[in-house]
Amino acid sequence: EVQLQESGPGLVKPSQSLSLTCSVTGYSITSNYWGWIRKFPGNKMEWMGYISYSGSTSYNPSLKSRISITRDTSKNQFFLQLNSVTTEDTATYYCARYTDVMDAWGQGASVTVSS
Amino acid sequence: DIQMTQSPASLSASLEEIVTITCQASQNIGNWLAWYQQKPGKSPQLLIYGTTSLADGVPSRFSGSRSGTQYSLKISRLQVEDIGIYYCQQASSTPLTFGSGTKLEIK
Repeated sequence: EVQLQESGPGLVKPSQSLSLTCSVTGYSITSNYWGWIRKFPGNKMEWMGYISYSGSTSYNPSLKSRISITRDTSKNQFFLQLNSVTTEDTATYYCARYTDVMDAWGQGASVTVSS
Repeated sequence: DIQMTQSPASLSASLEEIVTITCQASQNIGNWLAWYQQKPGKSPQLLIYGTTSLADGVPSRFSGSRSGTQYSLKISRLQVEDIGIYYCQQASSTPLTFGSGTKLEIK
């Protein structure tokens, strides 16, 4: 059974970078696609992007050039970096396996952007 | 981007009642529509994919349907464990987009 677990700082200062790790067990990230989704206070959900089994990426244009998703196949982990954060990036961040739809999710990492 | 207009925003219903949530897509997405359930304190879970296919382990009281670009999630007999927030999501093209969510409560 695939399991995903997010980890990273829960508090980030404005203008800094947000970095999260998704550790995957029970399934290789060299298969399928692996994505990041966030849920804002007030329940809005936003797809941020994904990294494929080959390492190619696709990002939400709304995040412009602030986002980067990378991976370490030796550790079966993939990563989110979001640069130049503002208070509007305060959200719960989820990693998920993506096969046209998100069929397995992590438990979520709450990130607050505040000075 | 494809907009998904979900309604209602909140819903209070009695046990055993039939509940319907709808999503309207801003353009043709075919059957590329999924529904997720997020129970309190939990991460979202896939309920339905491909408009009508139940994900593994999902009770048969859940069903999905489509009429043109309007998609519906039906719960045939509401149970207490069904409370939570429900989201639709189009999988037709990136950026993937979600509906605004429906908060379901027991009356």
